[in-house]
Amino acid sequence: NAGVTQTPKFRILKIGQSMTLQCTQDMNHNYMYWYRQDPGMGLKLIYYSVGAGITDKGEVPNGYNVSRSTTEDFPLRLELAAPSQTSVYFCASTPLGWGSNEQYFGPGTRLTVT
Amino acid sequence: DQQVKQNSPSLSVQEGRISILNCDYTNSMFDYFLWYKKYPAEGPTFLISISSIKDKNEDGRFTVFLNKSAKHLSLHIVPSQPGDSAVYFCAAGSNDYKLSFGAGTTVTVRA
Repeated sequence: NAGVTQTPKFRILKIGQSMTLQCTQDMNHNYMYWYRQDPGMGLKLIYYSVGAGITDKGEVPNGYNVSRSTTEDFPLRLELAAPSQTSVYFCASTPLGWGSNEQYFGPGTRLTVT
Repeated sequence: DQQVKQNSPSLSVQEGRISILNCDYTNSMFDYFLWYKKYPAEGPTFLISISSIKDKNEDGRFTVFLNKSAKHLSLHIVPSQPGDSAVYFCAAGSNDYKLSFGAGTTVTVRA
């Protein structure tokens, strides 16, 4: 299993541009998450999904959109990039079921908006 | 409102000695707690967890202690090794499968 994969690894965007961060997991996990990590801060939840077709907002959803058309994929869309969105983005997944609270993380995407 | 706090941003310890990382939380609804380890340019990886019905969980060199009345948990690493140098995140969750993370503690193990 490749686990959770994210593309791209790095990206530089100009203010106002848009992009999609890709996330794929091959573990058949129901739950998937998008986090951002700013320097000196913990991970903040942007959006999450409990299964295909179901998504919900986390702590910091403004400026982002998500979709979940399949179990495997959970892309994060930035429509109008702003400098405040400069961050490292992590995708994670977890299987459904009690005792399965561990989240598995991808390697991250480092995004700079200038 | 930060529900999980790691008040020590960094910790330096000599190889072979014990590392103790601390974490405090405010939400009494949290019923499980996890520690993650993160190397630069990589995603966090799960280290150890504990349910709120326990006060201790041990896995090799890693032990997590939970004090529910104080809303405090700690991670003990003994003996500390150079490969333990990383950022450690404390996380807490309840039955909604979402985690709240602390800001992390950077551990440096000196030879």
